[in-house]
Amino acid sequence: QKEVEQDPGPLSVPEGAIVSLNCTYSNSAFQYFMWYRQYSRKGPELLMYTYSSGNKEDGRFTAQVDKSSKYISLFIRDSQPSDSATYLCAMSANSGYALNFGKGTSLLVTP
Amino acid sequence: AAGVIQSPRHLIKEKRETATLKCYPIPRHDTVYWYQQGPGQDPQFLISFYEKMQSDKGSIPDRFSAQQFSDYHSELNMSSLELGDSALYFCASSSRLVPEAFFGQGTRLTVV
Repeated sequence: QKEVEQDPGPLSVPEGAIVSLNCTYSNSAFQYFMWYRQYSRKGPELLMYTYSSGNKEDGRFTAQVDKSSKYISLFIRDSQPSDSATYLCAMSANSGYALNFGKGTSLLVTP
Repeated sequence: AAGVIQSPRHLIKEKRETATLKCYPIPRHDTVYWYQQGPGQDPQFLISFYEKMQSDKGSIPDRFSAQQFSDYHSELNMSSLELGDSALYFCASSSRLVPEAFFGQGTRLTVV
């Protein structure tokens, strides 16, 4: 069983909707959490980075980490068709360690 | 801002041939990672280097090897290629001080 679980979707929402993407994990040692966006056949693009528990906001994106529940979330406000992509959560126990990825959630934002 | 540069972007090889993928990390990043991503899969960690020394090893086949050079660029060498090696290969880099990992655009390897 993977250490990081993520619903692959697909998730389809209308333009302007709030999107909620989630991952759960089993390794309590994880303390660095990242969200990547990946367009088809492109490299993963880092969206958000969070250390330990808490919230972080950047424009339309908000990342939340709840270490007590081993649960992380990414919220996208006012979603746009250009947000249509696969979103990957990733995490590691220490700086410089390899990232453990979720399977990725495919998001489609329809006009 | 400078990003992670990978070359070549596309590569077609025949079975049993060898391939060399190159990665140029973001300047002043001290850690380089190699990942393999099959169709519809998440990136699988292969190997990493910190300050030119191998720091971690994942699911890298014995047929593959990698190294990081004095100028911090890294190369992934793949021998006796198999059809199953066809995938996207990504390089990422990060700094121990700022642990966000940034990915390159990848090399698409097709083995025929």
